[in-house]
Amino acid sequence: TQLLEQSPQFLSIQEGENLTVYCNSSSVFSSLQWYRQEPGEGPVLLVTVVTGGEVKKLKRLTFQFGDARKDSSLHITAAQPGDTGLYLCALMNTGNQFYFGTGTSLTVIP
Amino acid sequence: NAGVTQTPKFRILKIGQSMTLQCTQDMNHNYMYWYRQDPGMGLKLIYYSVGAGITDKGEVPNGYNVSRSTTEDFPLRLELAAPSQTSVYFCASSYCPRELCEQFFGPGTRLTVL
Repeated sequence: TQLLEQSPQFLSIQEGENLTVYCNSSSVFSSLQWYRQEPGEGPVLLVTVVTGGEVKKLKRLTFQFGDARKDSSLHITAAQPGDTGLYLCALMNTGNQFYFGTGTSLTVIP
Repeated sequence: NAGVTQTPKFRILKIGQSMTLQCTQDMNHNYMYWYRQDPGMGLKLIYYSVGAGITDKGEVPNGYNVSRSTTEDFPLRLELAAPSQTSVYFCASSYCPRELCEQFFGPGTRLTVL
């Protein structure tokens, strides 16, 4: 059973388009992180959200934590080829263990 | 700072062979982790450590062992390699101010078991 479900699994869009990817769980979690992983490299942390309803912005990326703290979304405005990569959400339990979603593989075509 | 370093980058093993994946961090982080990532999938936690001398199992520990004799090093041992252990292995360390942990990942070790 996957603790975190991400959708869509794959996404291919043209440069300049907007997109949203989702991370959902049947459980409530205290905090959630989003990572981006480029081919051949380890994931890099983008953001941590901790408060229900919280919205954080990182340049063209907007992260939202659901009010009930069971879901999160990542919206990218005017996607660029440099945004290409695997986007992973992860939650941390009270023992500082991390559980990752299956990821959304994004390709931005120039 | 070099961050988290892993060696080797690539390795091919025969079934039944053993090997140790090395991981070192120079950030003085207490927490360290080993993950495996299968194609098209997220990361699965194998083992983790909250400090020198302390290790614990993650989601998928079978077939692996770890040790943590120093803060810097967290090697992962495969005793009897099996094809199911073909994967990319990532080591990470984390800094946890006020329970908001940020993980720093190494570049990974790509392992193939034939």
